[in-house]
Amino acid sequence: QSVLIQPPSASGTPGQRVTISCSGSSSNIEAYSVSWYQQLPRTAPKLLIYGNNQRPSGVPDRFSGSKSGTSASLAISGLQSEDEADYYCAAWDGSLIGVFGGGTKLTVL
Amino acid sequence: QLQLQASGPGLVNPSGTLSLTCTVAGVSITNSNQYWGWIRQPPGKGLEWIGSFYYGGSTWYNPSLKSRVTISVDTSENQFSLKLNSVTATDTAVYYCASQPSTTIVKFHFDFWGQGALVTVSS
Repeated sequence: QSVLIQPPSASGTPGQRVTISCSGSSSNIEAYSVSWYQQLPRTAPKLLIYGNNQRPSGVPDRFSGSKSGTSASLAISGLQSEDEADYYCAAWDGSLIGVFGGGTKLTVL
Repeated sequence: QLQLQASGPGLVNPSGTLSLTCTVAGVSITNSNQYWGWIRQPPGKGLEWIGSFYYGGSTWYNPSLKSRVTISVDTSENQFSLKLNSVTATDTAVYYCASQPSTTIVKFHFDFWGQGALVTVSS
């Protein structure tokens, strides 16, 4: 059981907007910044969002992040077939450990 | 452009020691203002942070692995290494090395990742 809780799956149709949630606690998400990663099959994770809502250079603005209290969300607008992947949230925890969510498998219908 | 590449034996005997090296190109480990870390992913499962270090500063380990893990640095080769001892089948995973663009561990995010190295624990 991961410290950060994500839904195991999500889906949407091309062009749609989907959101993926990440639920934590006062010792991780509420206290520290959240990052999000996209992992395509058989590849290393790719940083999508850091500092709760900052996009690295090269990441399309279709991807956005937000945080409120002990939860965070990743939103993908204008869903595309190439967005089909696993998505992970991550944050530092006050018990002196870096934690990841269990991952959400996004299917583009 | 920063590049990382993990390498090491793909098969380790149970109770043995897993050893991996991450070779960094594009920036010096000693001059960069960032952390360097190891993350692993068992087959079909999620990501697990193993540990991170800041050259000349702190090293942080996942408490669940701390008694078995050592992260070290070879500045002459611009590499850092992972050793995990007393391994079992549950340590079978793809092991990634990655960079954390921060001088503080609490800004916990990884911007560049190596391609990953699959390590299987089996006799």
